[in-house]
Formats: sequence, structure tokens, C-alpha cells
Amino acid sequence: AQKVTQAQTEISVVEKEDVTLDCVYETRDTTYYLFWYKQPPSGELVFLIRRNSFDEQNEISGRYSWNFQKSTSSFNFTITASQVVDSAVYFCALLRGNRDDKIIFGKGTRLHILP
Amino acid sequence: DTGVSQNPRHKITKRGQNVTFRCDPISEHNRLYWYRQTLGQGPEFLTYFQNEAQLEKSRLLSDRFSAERPKGSFSTLEIQRTEQGDSAMYLCASSPVRAGETQYFGPGTRLLVL
Repeated sequence: AQKVTQAQTEISVVEKEDVTLDCVYETRDTTYYLFWYKQPPSGELVFLIRRNSFDEQNEISGRYSWNFQKSTSSFNFTITASQVVDSAVYFCALLRGNRDDKIIFGKGTRLHILP
Repeated sequence: DTGVSQNPRHKITKRGQNVTFRCDPISEHNRLYWYRQTLGQGPEFLTYFQNEAQLEKSRLLSDRFSAERPKGSFSTLEIQRTEQGDSAMYLCASSPVRAGETQYFGPGTRLLVL
């Protein structure tokens, strides 16, 4: 079975603090893809990152960084020096490679950045 | 370079009425997906097209739901005899054909059934 678990339902931090959003996934496939999307109050899902299962290299993009660890089936997302504009719901998602085309989403983590 | 667009953005209807939503994908994308998102949940897959062919349908897609992509460009999602449980955000996404490609989402259509 394919599954994505985001255990943190809601997080609040004060602006400029660092925050990590956790994501744990389940799949029996050897080829798969992991994603993070941001959903601001407007409702549109904004793509942040895509990772394939063969690339465990961590990635940094500005204040965002991602830690992919196959050994623990985790794909965590860290925002450094958070800003109020980072307030949104963040979704981790899984796509099976070569077999399926539907993305399986976690339930999301609602992030509040307090000024 | 335009992204995925959806119309209308909001729809309020009475139970029992039919509604139709439209999605225009990114122009060079062959694949088009429909998802449904209810409050506090992540999006759930409904169906997808490759060009004009509908390749997969979720069990969530009851007989009252039908989707089309007649010319392989825009798509419509129709819900017949709406029920209050159909109230949700309906999201459309598109991607190139290759496996594992990123799906880019539109702004969604928020449906409220009274």
C-alpha cells in the first residue's frame, strides 16, 4: 500500500525561527517520486520540489531545504528564518514510478508564522 | 507562459442540480488530472487523461461524475444531481507524458452544495 503520513497537523512558530515539517512515506516500489507542495489561503497548490527515489542528495533552495532519507522513509522539509509569507498548508506527496500516475498526498501540515 | 486555469473559481448550487467545471492545462502538457480536496484533507485523485483518452478513474468517481477531454486540450468535469457531500475543492493538474513528471495544479473550483 502507498501512504504518506504528515504527523504534524498544525505548527506555529514566531517569525525568523526555523521550522521542520515531517513526512514519512510507505511504498514497496523501488522507483518512486516524492514532492512537496504549498497551499496558501488562496487555495492553489504550488509545486516546491520533486525528488526521485534514486537521488538521496539533500537539496537547498534559498531558505528551503529538504532531507531525504530512504533508510527511515522520510522526506522532511525545513524552512530557515521563517517569514509570515510562509504561512500555508504544506503537503508531502508520493508518486509511484512507471506504474501509476496519481499522486498520493498526505493530510498536510498547517504552518502559522507569527509576526 | 500561462499555468493551469480553472473556471469557475467558485460555484454555489442547490442539491439536485447539475454543475460543470472546466480546466485548461498548460498547453504542451499531454496529461490532465482531476483531484478532489475536502476540508482538512489532502487532494484525492479522481481521474486522468492522456490526450483525449481517459486512462484511469478512481472509485471516488461515482456514476454521477463524468469527465471529458474531447480534443485533448481542455477538460470538463460534470457532476449530475449534486449532493451535499460533493461540496469540496476540485483541482485540475497537468503534466508532460513521461512517468514521474511533476503535476502542476490550477487554482481549483470551490463547490458548495446547499
